[in-house]
Formats: sequence, C-alpha cells, structure tokens
Amino acid sequence: QKEVEQNSGPLSVPEGAIASLNCTYSDRGSQSFFWYRQYSGKSPELIMSIYSNGDKEDGRFTAQLNKASQYVSLLIRDSQPSDSATYLCAVNNIRTGGFKTIFGAGTRLFVKA
Amino acid sequence: EAGVTQFPSHSVIEKGQTVTLRCDPISGHDNLYWYRRVMGKEIKFLLHFVKESKQDESGMPNNRFLAERTGGTYSTLKVQPAELEDSGVYFCASSQERVSGYWGTDTQYFGPGTRLTVL
Repeated sequence: QKEVEQNSGPLSVPEGAIASLNCTYSDRGSQSFFWYRQYSGKSPELIMSIYSNGDKEDGRFTAQLNKASQYVSLLIRDSQPSDSATYLCAVNNIRTGGFKTIFGAGTRLFVKA
Repeated sequence: EAGVTQFPSHSVIEKGQTVTLRCDPISGHDNLYWYRRVMGKEIKFLLHFVKESKQDESGMPNNRFLAERTGGTYSTLKVQPAELEDSGVYFCASSQERVSGYWGTDTQYFGPGTRLTVL
C-alpha cells in the first residue's frame, strides 16, 4: 500500500464545472496536508494547506480533511482551462524534529474549454 | 525576492561519473529539502536540513548520495558514482517556519529542479 494514494486520472471536466480531487493516506500520525499544482515541466506550487478536520476555502479552492477516514480532497470551483495541471497531494510527518513530506503520484486534470 | 534556484538545470553524465547538484534556498529560510522524481513515479523525499544540520535523511537511497549544507546557506547533493537508476528530476525546496511543536506549517517553496540523465 502506498503511503499517499491518488487516482492518476486523467480527470476531465468542462470549463465552469467543479473538479473534485481525492487523496488517501496510510499514516494516522500525519499532521499536515497539502495540495500542490504542477504544470508540465515545472516545479510544484503550493495551492492549499490544511491541518484540522473540516473544510478550508481559498478563492475557488476548497480543501477538505477527514482524519478519521484518512482522506483529503480538493475541490476546484468554476474550473478554468488554466487549471489543467497535475495536482499532488502531500502529507507531512514530524519525526524527531524533522519533516518528511510524502507525495502522492498526482492526478492529472484537464479542463475543457 | 528571489525564489529557490537550482544549478544546473540539466545534466547528462555517464554511469560511474560524479555529479554535484546545487540548491540556493530563499534567503533566510532555515529549512532545506531535497526530493527526487523518477519518471512515472511520485516525488520522493530525500532529506531535510535545518540550517546546516541534517534533521532527517531517511530518504537517501544509499551511500552514493551525499548532501551538505555548509554554513546553513546553499546545499549540494553529490552522486558518486552515478548509476542508471539515479536518472530523474531532483527538486530542492525551502521553508521559513521553524520546525517546532506539534503543528508545523512548513510551507515549502520548490526550485525548478535539475534533470539528471545517467547514460
């Protein structure tokens, strides 16, 4: 079992729709959760972070965390073609003062104009 | 403010050679991380520095890899001797937040990566 699992996609949604991206993690001790966006050939860019159960909204993005189910999701409202990218779910574990960030393999999102 | 920079952007070497990758974090960031993405796989954590100290190097694949961060500023990652399976993109990231307590936020800023090809 992978430590962080994501559906590789591709996930295809029409422009203006809601894109829903999901992620599960295996370590119950995980404390910090992140969504990164990575355009082809570029470096990952942090778009959302969440630490507590529930929803966190930032503009068109909403991150949802359910620690009991070990589940993190990202909703993108009013999807735009510019949102087309690979979305990486990442989880942090604190080990003896360090952070070991575990990444999922990513979900490719295509937003059709 | 300058972001995280990495050098070189690309490196092509032959098996058995040595390569040194460099990362310059954002000024003032104490935390520096190295990651690697092998083609088709997820980004893998290699190690974490706080200033010049290695906090977690559990992701380093073997003793052919040596990371240093002398003076707590830039970092180098040396691969010696390089093997075919070392090919991939090596990312560096830095963050400002101190690692303390239970709730670290650790917003990491990634560099553009170094694409290493071992022939």
